[in-house]
Amino acid sequence: KNQVEQSPQSLIILERKNCTLQCNYTVSPFSNLRWYKQDTGRGPVSLTIMTFSENTKSNGRYTATLDADTKQSSLHITASQLSDSASYICVVKAGGGTSYGKLTFGQGTILTVHP
Amino acid sequence: EPEVTQTPSHQVTQMGQEVILRCVPISNHLYFYWYRQILGQKVEFLVSFYNNEISEKSEIFDDQFSVERPDGSNFTLKIRSTKLEDSAMYFCASSESGRTYNEQFFGPGTRLTVL
Repeated sequence: KNQVEQSPQSLIILERKNCTLQCNYTVSPFSNLRWYKQDTGRGPVSLTIMTFSENTKSNGRYTATLDADTKQSSLHITASQLSDSASYICVVKAGGGTSYGKLTFGQGTILTVHP
Repeated sequence: EPEVTQTPSHQVTQMGQEVILRCVPISNHLYFYWYRQILGQKVEFLVSFYNNEISEKSEIFDDQFSVERPDGSNFTLKIRSTKLEDSAMYFCASSESGRTYNEQFFGPGTRLTVL
């Protein structure tokens, strides 16, 4: 069964500090991996999308890495801001001709940034 | 910037009643999706829709659920006879294409409460 697991479940950091969130997946065949940010009561917003051939991708202060061999990904947030407080969700899309976009979601890491 | 919209933002209904959740996808998008998120749990895929027919559905999407694109702009999710366990946040998403690298844009969600 396709699964995506994230750690830690929650994280509290101080403003301007860095942090790294982890994701492990067992989705097969693998197509791509995405990181989403979800504010409370809102829909997920895409941060990065990576295919198996991409090791790293950045979007401003967000940098995602992917190791397709070990099936692990990380999201690094640099110089955190109060507005970074949200749930960060790792999402994997399986490949295959019959898959029209079905995404498998992790449970998310709840990040809280304190002043 | 174009965005996916959903109405209503919150729907309260009695068990056994029918509900229709509405979504307006981004105008040039051709692929549409419904997801749900039970409070405190992962986002789960329900169904994908393309060319006026369901292209993929999950085991959650049973005969109580149906989707429709009635007028070329709206995309609806109908639950025929709601159950208590249908209480969740329902997210609509759309994408320009069904390619494996397609980005899905999510709406803000409809919170469904079944009493």
